[in-house]
Amino acid sequence: GAGVSQSPRYKVAKRGQDVALRCDPISGHVSLFWYQQALGQGPEFLTYFQNEAQLDKSGLPSDRFFAERPEGSVSTLKIQRTQQEDSAVYLCASSLVPGQGNEQYFGPGTRLTVT
Amino acid sequence: GQNIDQPTEMTATEGAIVQINCTYQTSGFNGLFWYQQHAGEAPTFLSYNVLDGLEEKGRFSSFLSRSKGYSYLLLKELQMKDSASYLCAVRDRNEAAGNKLTFGGGTRVLVKP
Repeated sequence: GAGVSQSPRYKVAKRGQDVALRCDPISGHVSLFWYQQALGQGPEFLTYFQNEAQLDKSGLPSDRFFAERPEGSVSTLKIQRTQQEDSAVYLCASSLVPGQGNEQYFGPGTRLTVT
Repeated sequence: GQNIDQPTEMTATEGAIVQINCTYQTSGFNGLFWYQQHAGEAPTFLSYNVLDGLEEKGRFSSFLSRSKGYSYLLLKELQMKDSASYLCAVRDRNEAAGNKLTFGGGTRVLVKP
């Protein structure tokens, strides 16, 4: 079956530009997570949605980062006025419901390079 | 918060066994996951432990000791395709946060012929 998809796979932005990264979770999955992964590091939590509700945005590094999931399926992570330190892979993950034993399924990520 | 430590890199020979250790300090624990990540690809689920003991799944096994804040992933009969990063992740107890995962830095395993 279809897994988590993300687009674009690669994005090059000039410093100061705005970018939008898209995530299509597995159909029917309630939970959706965004993570940021720097080169050679593990993923770091950014934000969490349960259906359309953003229940945790404690990992967003600054107010330049904004995420939405208006209809409880597709999600968009927007970064305004990109900076070089935003260069990373942005991973989206979804899981069926919150709770015990529900693994998160990851998408392939969007590699963002800010020049 | 969570603090998770695992070695940065390990090298092993094809056909051998490798054990990747993970230690964690947590303010709330609701299970430990191991993921495999090949370069440029998505992390893929390997194992999940929430109770103490060993979980075996084919060539891969994972062990958990909650009292010691310790887990390991055991890879047996190593194959070249096992060369990848292995991520240890602890799940938060806070359901309002969706039981989010906190990851270690990953252990890059290189399998040599």
